[in-house]
Amino acid sequence: EVQLVESGGGLVQPGRSLRLSCAASGITFSDYWMHWVRQAPGKGLVWVSRVNPDGSFTSYADSVKGRFAISRDNAENTLYLQMNSLRVDDTAVYYCATEGLGNDAFDNWGQGTMLTVSS
Amino acid sequence: DIEMTQSPSSLSASVGDRVTITCQASLHINNYLNWYQQKPGKAPKLLIYDASNLETGVPSRFGGSGSGTDFTFTISSLQPEDLATYYCQQYKDLPLTFGGGTKVEIK
Repeated sequence: EVQLVESGGGLVQPGRSLRLSCAASGITFSDYWMHWVRQAPGKGLVWVSRVNPDGSFTSYADSVKGRFAISRDNAENTLYLQMNSLRVDDTAVYYCATEGLGNDAFDNWGQGTMLTVSS
Repeated sequence: DIEMTQSPSSLSASVGDRVTITCQASLHINNYLNWYQQKPGKAPKLLIYDASNLETGVPSRFGGSGSGTDFTFTISSLQPEDLATYYCQQYKDLPLTFGGGTKVEIK
């Protein structure tokens, strides 16, 4: 059974940093493109970032470019999102997701971790 | 960015009804479109990929069609457990973008 478990969310002040983690099991983690998707309270889904299987290629939404960094540790089957210069509008549930091997869809999702940015 | 416009934003239907949701892309995206279901308080779940392919394990009452800019998602016979918000998502270009969602309620 595929499991993605996010952690690291919490309450943080504007301008501070935080790192999210996503621990994967039940898959050969190093085969998958991995993504972060977020959802502000009561709002829709927004793609944040992606990383290729070996971690050498990354992409970001404009809203987080230059502030967030996605990375992965394939030995530890873990995905990360380093978030710097946090803003109030970064407040959201952050989901990690796998990109399907046979399709370009988010075929497995974690349960999400809540980040609240507030003074 | 490719804008995805879903309609309606919400609907209410009875058990057994046929439900249709549309998604329009601001640019031609071939069939690079996926549909997700998000139940209250839960993570999204993939239902349909490549516009019309049913994800393994998903009930056959769910379906998708379309290509280019106009897409349709259908629930052929609405069930109580289908209470959820449904999202389309394009993967033609970065940034990957989602529609605004359609909240489906049961009458």
